[in-house]
Amino acid sequence: AQSVTQPDIHITVSEGASLELRCNYSYGATPYLFWYVQSPGQGLQLLLKYFSGDTLVQGIKGFEAEFKRSQSSFNLRKPSVHWSDAAEYFCAVGAVAGSYQLTFGKGTKLSVIP
Amino acid sequence: KAGVTQTPRYLIKTRGQQVTLSCSPISGHRSVSWYQQTPGQGLQFLFEYFSETQRNKGNFPGRFSGRQFSNSRSEMNVSTLELGDSALYLCASSPRPGTGNIPLHFGNGTRLTVT
Repeated sequence: AQSVTQPDIHITVSEGASLELRCNYSYGATPYLFWYVQSPGQGLQLLLKYFSGDTLVQGIKGFEAEFKRSQSSFNLRKPSVHWSDAAEYFCAVGAVAGSYQLTFGKGTKLSVIP
Repeated sequence: KAGVTQTPRYLIKTRGQQVTLSCSPISGHRSVSWYQQTPGQGLQFLFEYFSETQRNKGNFPGRFSGRQFSNSRSEMNVSTLELGDSALYLCASSPRPGTGNIPLHFGNGTRLTVT
């Protein structure tokens, strides 16, 4: 069974600083990987996805993520954080065979200091 | 294009009651999935529907059930509510059943509180 680990429960950064959120996955085959963001009281918004090909993927809001098979990682990055980026971020892996379901990490809450 | 719509946004129920939550997918999307989000367990898959058929179900008791209608709208039902059922229930849609490579589009959820 697949699993996702987000080692950091809470991260605080200053506005304008760079950001990296960590994600490690466990899956037997080539994974389909996603990053979602959730603002308080809201649903999940897709930031970016990796299916195959270029291991550096670009997403919305200036985010990017790099897939590293050797490290089983899919870390999310942003060069300069804005106060509006404060939210909770979830990494997820998609099952391949049979029915479709996502397995999510526990999430990383991002706080931004003005 | 309108997003995934979930109603109601908030519900307060008493232990032992039952509840029905509704989800309207994005127009043209035929697959609907449900997830439960709690502080302790995080996001957990409940079930997925396509063409009015349940394709898969997560590890939840039989008190949790769902269905999908011919217009792709879906409902989930929880019977004999327990305090632990308090959660944010998220519905997601996709154009078709995935093979893992189709992003899900989520609604804003229904916040269920059981007292």
